[in-house]
Amino acid sequence: DTEVTQTPKHLVMGMTNKKSLKCEQHMGHRAMYWYKQKAKKPPELMFVYSYEKLSINESVPSRFSPECPNSSLLNLHLHALQPEDSALYLCASSLNSVGDGTQYFGPGTRLTVL
Amino acid sequence: AQKITQTQPGMFVQEKEAVTLDCTYDTSDQSYGLFWYKQPSSGEMIFLIYQGSYDEQNATEGRYSLNFQKARKSANLVISASQLGDSAMYFCAMREGRRRDDKIIFGKGTRLHILP
Repeated sequence: DTEVTQTPKHLVMGMTNKKSLKCEQHMGHRAMYWYKQKAKKPPELMFVYSYEKLSINESVPSRFSPECPNSSLLNLHLHALQPEDSALYLCASSLNSVGDGTQYFGPGTRLTVL
Repeated sequence: AQKITQTQPGMFVQEKEAVTLDCTYDTSDQSYGLFWYKQPSSGEMIFLIYQGSYDEQNATEGRYSLNFQKARKSANLVISASQLGDSAMYFCAMREGRRRDDKIIFGKGTRLHILP
């Protein structure tokens, strides 16, 4: 089973709202990732968690706040977003210390900021 | 300089024909991994195939094979007997170094259209 789930599928929010994206995997993977993807572009890495610790932050603005409560769950807290933050947000996970590093992606959350 | 180059922004192929999607990469690491992902219009990134830099044989997964030419730094994806459901965006990607949780770098993608 290589399933990564993400909720919600779609999200519309105003610039003053606070919302959260959720990602879950039950494959025993110990690395989890957040990506942002604009239309017709490749995904851009935002954050990497390895063994529940933040290991990579790609200079993401502080209005995006990641959280990894346990090895199966990854959240992305959103606050005071801008319209240019509208995008597809993809979560991924990988086995980490063993294996080939293949990342398995969830279906994504399509975010619209008004 | 781009680490992953996909030179075909778009391709049109007749159903049942074989397709080759080009990918070249640039790295000075000895240990690296190469990946191909498919992204239909629904948005999900679907893992297709992996090739490790030390793998001597070309990777195959069903109708997908990876034509790995290390000296040329080329990792082309071959889809045999294309189907209408193969219409999607295809991304080549690379992980450098030995860390399995490190980032992977994506190419700009190739949009594949399969014609009935």
